[in-house]
Amino acid sequence: AQTVTQSQPEMSVQEAETVTLSCTYDTSESDYYLFWYKQPPSRQMILVIRQEAYKQQNATENRFSVNFQKAAKSFSLKISDSQLGDAAMYFCAYRSAWAGRGGSNYKLTFGKGTLLTVNP
Amino acid sequence: SAVISQKPSRDICQRGTSLTIQCQVDSQVTMMFWYRQQPGQSLTLIATANQGSEATYESGFVIDKFPISRPNLTFSTLTVSNMSPEDSSIYLCSVAGARGETQYFGPGTRLLVL
Repeated sequence: AQTVTQSQPEMSVQEAETVTLSCTYDTSESDYYLFWYKQPPSRQMILVIRQEAYKQQNATENRFSVNFQKAAKSFSLKISDSQLGDAAMYFCAYRSAWAGRGGSNYKLTFGKGTLLTVNP
Repeated sequence: SAVISQKPSRDICQRGTSLTIQCQVDSQVTMMFWYRQQPGQSLTLIATANQGSEATYESGFVIDKFPISRPNLTFSTLTVSNMSPEDSSIYLCSVAGARGETQYFGPGTRLLVL
């Protein structure tokens, strides 16, 4: 079974600064997807960024970028120019590329999350 | 991405009762998933719900406790049966297309069982 580990329960950053959230995972599969979701106090899960394992290029979405190291099974999220609205719980998640019965392998396996505080 | 709504947004229930949570999507989707997020915890998948077939439950979750319906490609329900305080959680539905590359989540249902 796949596992996802986020070793930083809490992080803080000054507004306009850069912060990196860490995530490692364990899998025997060669093809998979990795995600970062944010969950603000409203509790809505919002997709931040997605990375396909077969792509060597790191994904970027505006101020958000990842450092994907497949051999090291590491998938960190960098937030540049941090804003007050970035304050949230951030979850790293893994998804197999193989469907399984009825798509059940498409389930997301989440880490425990990192609570990010942005200080003005 | 799809627009997903859940009803109710929150509820307070008495132990021993049941609550049915609805998940509605504004477009047809192949796969729907139901997750549970216990207080201060991460999300755990309860089951995968596909239209026209029985839901596939994860280890530790059973149909008698969490019956699921998926009558069409835009709607699903999750029932939490014979509730106990341990069922107090946020329940979230998510949806994905046929290849399931990305899951999008509904706003969640916050359940408190007394």
